[in-house]
Amino acid sequence: AQKVTQAQTEISVVEKEDVTLDCVYETRDTTYYLFWYKQPPSGELVFLIRRNSFDEQNEISGRYSWNFQKSTSSFNFTITASQVVDSAVYFCALSESSGSARQLTFGSGTQLTVLP
Amino acid sequence: DADVTQTPRNRITKTGKRIMLECSQTKGHDRMYWYRQDPGLGLRLIYYSFDVKDINKGEISDGYSVSRQAQAKFSLSLESAIPNQTALYFCATRGAVGNTIYFGEGSWLTVV
Repeated sequence: AQKVTQAQTEISVVEKEDVTLDCVYETRDTTYYLFWYKQPPSGELVFLIRRNSFDEQNEISGRYSWNFQKSTSSFNFTITASQVVDSAVYFCALSESSGSARQLTFGSGTQLTVLP
Repeated sequence: DADVTQTPRNRITKTGKRIMLECSQTKGHDRMYWYRQDPGLGLRLIYYSFDVKDINKGEISDGYSVSRQAQAKFSLSLESAIPNQTALYFCATRGAVGNTIYFGEGSWLTVV
């Protein structure tokens, strides 16, 4: 069975600080997909990134970057120079390639608060 | 306009009442899902459907039913709502190619 752990329940930072959100996953599949979603206070889920298990290259998108390490089963998310608008709950998720549902298994989320 | 639309966005209902949450999508995806979000638990899968004739139970299907009226429509029903079904409900879709799941804006349901 697959599992996603986000050990950080809540993080508070001051604006312009860098912050890293941790995500550790468990899966028996060799092919799988990892995701990050953002949930702002308004409640919708915003897709941020998808990474497949064969692509360990780190990715940078503006102030966002992701560090995927299969050796430690981690897919961490860093926000550089955080802004108040980054305040949200962030979810890491895993989808295995096998299994009929291919549903996402979510971590419990990390509440990020960026203070002005 | 959103690709995945949920109605209603907010609903307060009484214990024992029947309530339906509707979802429609314009992405042309075959696969549709209903998730439930509770604080501290992330999202949990209620039901999923791969096409109009295919309905499958997810992790927490008890107390819920679904109907896939068309490729673009997937509704979730609570036949007799109870207070512990108070939650934020998400509809989602995924195409046959690719694995990204796209979510609707969520439906806040309160059962009193």
